[in-house]
Amino acid sequence: DGGITQSPKYLFRKEGQNVTLSCEQNLNHDAMYWYRQDPGQGLRLIYYSQIVNDFQKGDIAEGYSVSREKKESFPLTVTSAQKNPTAFYLCASSIDRGHEQYFGPGTRLTVT
Amino acid sequence: SQQGEEDPQALSIQEGENATMNCSYKTSINNLQWYRQNSGRGLVHLILIRSNEREKHSGRLRVTLDTSKKSSSLLITASRAADTASYFCATVPGYGNKLVFGAGTILRVKS
Repeated sequence: DGGITQSPKYLFRKEGQNVTLSCEQNLNHDAMYWYRQDPGQGLRLIYYSQIVNDFQKGDIAEGYSVSREKKESFPLTVTSAQKNPTAFYLCASSIDRGHEQYFGPGTRLTVT
Repeated sequence: SQQGEEDPQALSIQEGENATMNCSYKTSINNLQWYRQNSGRGLVHLILIRSNEREKHSGRLRVTLDTSKKSSSLLITASRAADTASYFCATVPGYGNKLVFGAGTILRVKS
């Protein structure tokens, strides 16, 4: 987990509320990623950013939004438009696209 | 979309035995990576093998890549209880710049 922090570890929200998950890295990596993991499944890409002030949608971007105002930070907002937001969210970074990724410890979001 | 498919879905072995996990993919790749995930934690990168490489070693890990069959295998030798985790392969498609993960193999090493 070294170099990438995610907070909080557990997050509980009521349905209809937006919630922002934090991701910070001190590895000086250009690329950052957000993934969603559901029980017993692999990772699905939500959004990624290859450089500050630029980001692209991944495979399941609907209901999510991101910003990349600083190289170190890539927060993810889960909006009320996301129909099934309860999941384990993982943030990652890499020196450049296609290289090995370094993951944070994850945030488990529960929406009731 | 998930390109990598791991096999088996779950594997249970005794400590000291070898564990082999396989990964198949569909399109041409730039490289293939293996990751480990302990329960409820983030993923840890294990090894990266490029499309022009056939075999790579790292400690007790051995990875092979057969681009003609679009498959890779991860061998863990002399397994330990601490190796209990989920193992994922991830590919970087030749035309893209993102990692595409498979669903993973759950490995349980019994002591």
